[in-house]
Amino acid sequence: DQQVKQNSPSLSVQEGRISILNCDYTNSMFDYFLWYKKYPAEGPTFLISISSIKDKNEDGRFTVFLNKSAKHLSLHIVPSQPGDSAVYFCAARPLGTGNQFYFGTGTSLTVIP
Amino acid sequence: DVKVTQSSRYLVKRTGEKVFLECVQDMDHENMFWYRQDPGLGLRLIYFSYDVKMKEKGDIPEGYSVSREKKERFSLILESASTNQTSMYLCATREWGRGTDTQYFGPGTRLTVL
Repeated sequence: DQQVKQNSPSLSVQEGRISILNCDYTNSMFDYFLWYKKYPAEGPTFLISISSIKDKNEDGRFTVFLNKSAKHLSLHIVPSQPGDSAVYFCAARPLGTGNQFYFGTGTSLTVIP
Repeated sequence: DVKVTQSSRYLVKRTGEKVFLECVQDMDHENMFWYRQDPGLGLRLIYFSYDVKMKEKGDIPEGYSVSREKKERFSLILESASTNQTSMYLCATREWGRGTDTQYFGPGTRLTVL
C-alpha cells in the first residue's frame, strides 16, 4: 500500500519556466517531508525538507509547500534549468518511529533548453 | 561530505547463487538502510540497522538478510538469488538531529539475476 504517491510519472518544462512536482500522502502521522533528486546511475541526493510545523521552506530556486489538511506537498523550481532534468522523489517520515522513510514512485523532470 | 560507497556498480549473477552487496560509510552514522528501486515502484525499504548487530525488517525483507558487524559496514545478502531480485539496490545512511533528518545514498548497485 503506497503511503506516498507521485501521480505524475513525468513532466516536461521549458527552460526558465516554473516546474511544479506534486506529492500526496495518506498517513496523517507523517511529520517530516523531503525531496530527493536522482540522476541516472547515481544515488538520490537530498534537495530540501520541511517539517509539519511549517507550510513553506525555501532554498534558492527550490521551494517546498506543505498543505497538511490536503495531505499534499509540492516542489517548485524557479527558474528551471536543463541541469534540473532528473527523477525527483518525495519522502515522508512518521512521527515517533524516526527510522523509516517512505518514498514516492518518482517524477521524471525534463527541462527543455 | 558524507561518503557512502557500494562494492559494485554492476553485478550479474545466476539464479540460486548467494549474493553479497556491501556498503561502507565514513561518517559514523548509526542508522543504515538498504532499498531497492524498481520502475513505477519507487524506493522500497528492505532492511535497516540502527546500530551494530541491530537490524529491523523493512517493507520487503523476503529473500534477503543483512549483516552489520561494524558500524561503518552494512551488508545485504541474497541467500539464493532469483530473477525477481533483478533491481537497483541503494544503500543509505541517516543523519539526524539539530532540526535535520536526511539520508545519504550510495551510487547504487545494478544487479541482474539470470
